[in-house]
Order: sequence, then structure tokens, then C-alpha cells
Amino acid sequence: EDQVTQSPEALRLQEGESSSLNCSYTVSGLRGLFWYRQDPGKGPEFLFTLYSAGEEKEKERLKATLTKKESFLHITAPKPEDSATYLCAVIPLYNFNKFYFGSGTKLNVKP
Amino acid sequence: DSGVTQTPKHLITATGQRVTLRCSPRSGDLSVYWYQQSLDQGLQFLIQYYNGEERAKGNILERFSAQQFPDLHSELNLSSLELGDSALYFCASSQRGGSNEQFFGPGTRLTVL
Repeated sequence: EDQVTQSPEALRLQEGESSSLNCSYTVSGLRGLFWYRQDPGKGPEFLFTLYSAGEEKEKERLKATLTKKESFLHITAPKPEDSATYLCAVIPLYNFNKFYFGSGTKLNVKP
Repeated sequence: DSGVTQTPKHLITATGQRVTLRCSPRSGDLSVYWYQQSLDQGLQFLIQYYNGEERAKGNILERFSAQQFPDLHSELNLSSLELGDSALYFCASSQRGGSNEQFFGPGTRLTVL
């Protein structure tokens, strides 16, 4: 069964304390992996797309990496405004019309 | 601002009623997706349309239906509403569907009393 698992469920960091969020997936072939940020009560905001193992994308304090079975979202020197839920989604090769979303990691960055 | 618009922002109704949620995709996007997000739960994919045709179905109840019109806007119809249907409903759009990233609207918060 296709699955996307994100860990940890919640993460509390001090401002400036770097860390990583994990997204592991079990699909029969990966067409693409996506990272989103979601603030409470709002729609998810697109961050990155990764297509192949070894690929990396960066945006400000965020860096996403991809291996054959998982992706990491690295947050360097986070600020309180980085607090949000971070969602990972995958599209399998065989069914490219479906996004499978993980349940997210809720990040809280304290000043 | 993603460029995807959804109306209304909030909707409060009673059990047994029927409501329609509306979505306008980003300019140039042909594909529209609908998702349901209940309190503290993940995004559940409901249905996808591409250029007016249904492309993929997820966990969509028989009481729910959707369509995409020639101008590419989409409507999600929810009928015989139950308390458990209370949730945030998001619409997303992408250029062609498939491996393109999806851009989400601000959502419609539905409360069923």
C-alpha cells in the first residue's frame, strides 16, 4: 500500500537551533515529491519539488533533499516565523493523478 | 497569494442540507483538485478534474459530487450533510496535472450544526 510517513509529528526548537524533518514513502516508483508549508486555517503553500535521488533544493533557511526512500527538510537557524505545519506529498509513477500527503510535522520555533 | 480563489470562505449549515463550494484555478491551469481536511487531520484527496473531465477519484463519498465547467472553474457539491462533514475544503490547481506541483486556495470552512 502506498504510504507517506512524516516524523516527528511535532517539533519544538529554539530560535537558531537547526534541525531536520523526515518524509519517508513507500510507493512503487516515484514520479515526484513535494514539500508544502501550512499555517493554521490556511491553504498549503508550495515550497519544493524533487524528482530524483540526490536532488536538492534550497529556499532561504530551508533545504530539501531526496533519497530513494525518503526526503529531508533541513531548517537552518530557524526563526519564529518558520513555525507552521510542513507537509510532504508524493506522486507515484503508476498513478500520476494522485497526490499522497503525509500527516505533517508541526514545527514550533520559540524566540 | 497562490492565484487560486475559493468561495465562500465560511459556510454554516444544518444537517441534511446541501451546499456548493466554488473554486477558480490559477490562470492557465487546466487541472483542479479537491481535498478535505478535518480538524488535526491530514489532507484527504477527494477528486481531480482536467479540462472538464474527471481524472481521478479519491475518498469521495457518494453524497459528494463535483464538476469542472468550460471556463475551468469547479464546484464541489455536498448533500445530505452530516456533522462529520465539518472540515476545511481546499481546492488546488496545476498546469496539466500529473507531476506538476499543485497550488492551493485559501479553503472553505464548512460547519455543519
